[in-house]
Amino acid sequence: DVKVTQSSRYLVKRTGEKVFLECVQDMDHENMFWYRQDPGLGLRLIYFSYDVKMKEKGDIPEGYSVSREKKERFSLILESASTNQTSMYLCASSRMGWVSYEQYFGPGTRLTVT
Amino acid sequence: AQSVTQLGSHVSVSEGALVLLRCNYSSSVPPYLFWYVQYPNQGLQLLLKYTSAATLVKGINGFEAEFKKSETSFHLTNPSAHMSDAAEYFCAVTEADSNYQLIWGAGTKLIIKP
Repeated sequence: DVKVTQSSRYLVKRTGEKVFLECVQDMDHENMFWYRQDPGLGLRLIYFSYDVKMKEKGDIPEGYSVSREKKERFSLILESASTNQTSMYLCASSRMGWVSYEQYFGPGTRLTVT
Repeated sequence: AQSVTQLGSHVSVSEGALVLLRCNYSSSVPPYLFWYVQYPNQGLQLLLKYTSAATLVKGINGFEAEFKKSETSFHLTNPSAHMSDAAEYFCAVTEADSNYQLIWGAGTKLIIKP
């Protein structure tokens, strides 16, 4: 079974703090993704990575950065958290090479910024 | 650009009744299509996917979906709803040149009445 784990299920941070969300997958997948999930908006892609040290912006990258130093680990960084970044954050991974490969998701991190 | 529309943010059915969740996509080029399910407090998991083989696709837990090119639709059905089917369902689409990105619908929350 593919396992995608996220460092925290729930996180509460203050405005202006630097926040790190970590994601680890154990299936040697090339692709990794960070999404934000908000009610009525579905999933919106923040960043994705198709290889170590490679990253591409998704639909809503503003206010976020990412890091992929190892194949199995993909980190999302909020440089200075703001209240409008309160949301559910989902990490996913998939194989490279054939576009119909499904994405496997972690359980999510519910971030509250106060 | 590709878009996905899920009709109805909430659908309520009685236990044992037919479930129909609607998904329409915008592209004239047949894409790859997916249905994912998110149970409460969990990440998303794949229900089924269409990749240009059979137009009727069977998934887990009795769900199936039919790809209709003429209607640009990929509606999800289940002939008999169970209480355990209560969850949020997401339709997603990708294309061969999409660099592995999925375009997501806003989601439909399925409510099962006893």
